[in-house]
Amino acid sequence: KAGVTQTPRYLIKTRGQQVTLSCSPISGHRSVSWYQQTPGQGLQFLFEYFSETQRNKGNFPGRFSGRQFSNSRSEMNVSTLELGDSALYLCASSFGTGLAVQETQYFGPGTRLLVL
Amino acid sequence: AQSVSQHNHHVILSEAASLELGCNYSYGGTVNLFWYVQYPGQHLQLLLKYFSGDPLVKGIKGFEAEFIKSKFSFNLRKPSVQWSDTAEYFCAVTPPLVFGKGTRLSVIA
Repeated sequence: KAGVTQTPRYLIKTRGQQVTLSCSPISGHRSVSWYQQTPGQGLQFLFEYFSETQRNKGNFPGRFSGRQFSNSRSEMNVSTLELGDSALYLCASSFGTGLAVQETQYFGPGTRLLVL
Repeated sequence: AQSVSQHNHHVILSEAASLELGCNYSYGGTVNLFWYVQYPGQHLQLLLKYFSGDPLVKGIKGFEAEFIKSKFSFNLRKPSVQWSDTAEYFCAVTPPLVFGKGTRLSVIA
């Protein structure tokens, strides 16, 4: 079974630009979550999508948004990039149909974003 | 708001030494607890999890963790580490989903 895939793997942008990251979950998984990982803050939850609807949201500004398509693939968008947005962005998928708080997350390799 | 503290930022051990990584969460009530591991160059993956029942949970690769409700703790242990255990370890709690900042473990020969 193929794992979670994320594209692109690396990205360099400048301040003020916007970026779109893509995530394909494991086949059969309907929940996709996004995380930001930085050395200082560790792993921080951005949002979770299930059946094309945002089900949970972390404490990030509105510049961070996402969506999920009918095939469960998800995209994350960051507008008006700031230097502090430089991070590893991780996507994780799970079945989503069980008790959400008990589900194991399966992580992708991440997209490393550098904002100059 | 729920928070997770991992006391050690970086732990260095010799092979065959015993390991204990601390994890404390702030909010009581019913919680679900996880330990994830990220080996160098690999994805984050689940090591073990606790939902209910026996507070001593066994995971992959000889790891175990003990849930102590009175101490709000879920410490990770391994009796004898190997070089291949070198990785970053993350404790996580739900609800809501909150990760600790991670502990980097370096095992030296």
